[in-house]
Amino acid sequence: NAGVTQTPKFQVLKTGQSMTLQCAQDMNHEYMSWYRQDPGMGLRLIHYSVGAGITDQGEVPNGYNVSRSTTEDFPLRLLSAAPSQTSVYFCASSYRPGQGTSEQYFGPGTRLTVT
Amino acid sequence: EDQVTQSPEALRLQEGESSSLNCSYTVSGLRGLFWYRQDPGKGPEFLFTLYSAGEEKEKERLKATLTKKESFLHITAPKPEDSATYLCAVQAFIQGAQKLVFGQGTRLTINP
Repeated sequence: NAGVTQTPKFQVLKTGQSMTLQCAQDMNHEYMSWYRQDPGMGLRLIHYSVGAGITDQGEVPNGYNVSRSTTEDFPLRLLSAAPSQTSVYFCASSYRPGQGTSEQYFGPGTRLTVT
Repeated sequence: EDQVTQSPEALRLQEGESSSLNCSYTVSGLRGLFWYRQDPGKGPEFLFTLYSAGEEKEKERLKATLTKKESFLHITAPKPEDSATYLCAVQAFIQGAQKLVFGQGTRLTINP
């Protein structure tokens, strides 16, 4: 199993540009999440999904969109990049409660810089 | 407000010098407490899950314990390869959904 994969590893954007961060998992997990990690702030939840076709907002959703058309994929879209979105982004997946163990598995991260 | 606080922010130890990291939490409806290890430039790696007060889990030089208000990660006779940031997260039922709330982490450095 590849686990959770993310692309790209690094990205530089100009203010106002849009892009999609890709995330895929091959563990048949129903739960998938996107976090951002900033120095001194810890990991903060952006959006999450409890299954294909179902998404919801986390703690810091503004400026980001998600969709979940398949169990495997959970892309994160930046609509109009801003310098405040410079961060490291992590995708994670887990079983739903009752389906199996509930720990989240994280991808390797995407380091995004917005200039 | 649901909060997770880790202390200390950073800890330097000599190889073989045992110590403990703390994670205190104020959440209602606790569903589990997780410890992760994060190496520079990598994603968090799962270590332990604790579900109820009094529970303990061990893995090599690490032991995690849980009370009703806090968790400790004990590191016994650490080696330089134990250097990493250790993250604590609490799973709780928040606004109708299961969510993870993370602490800010403890950056552990083990000097040879």
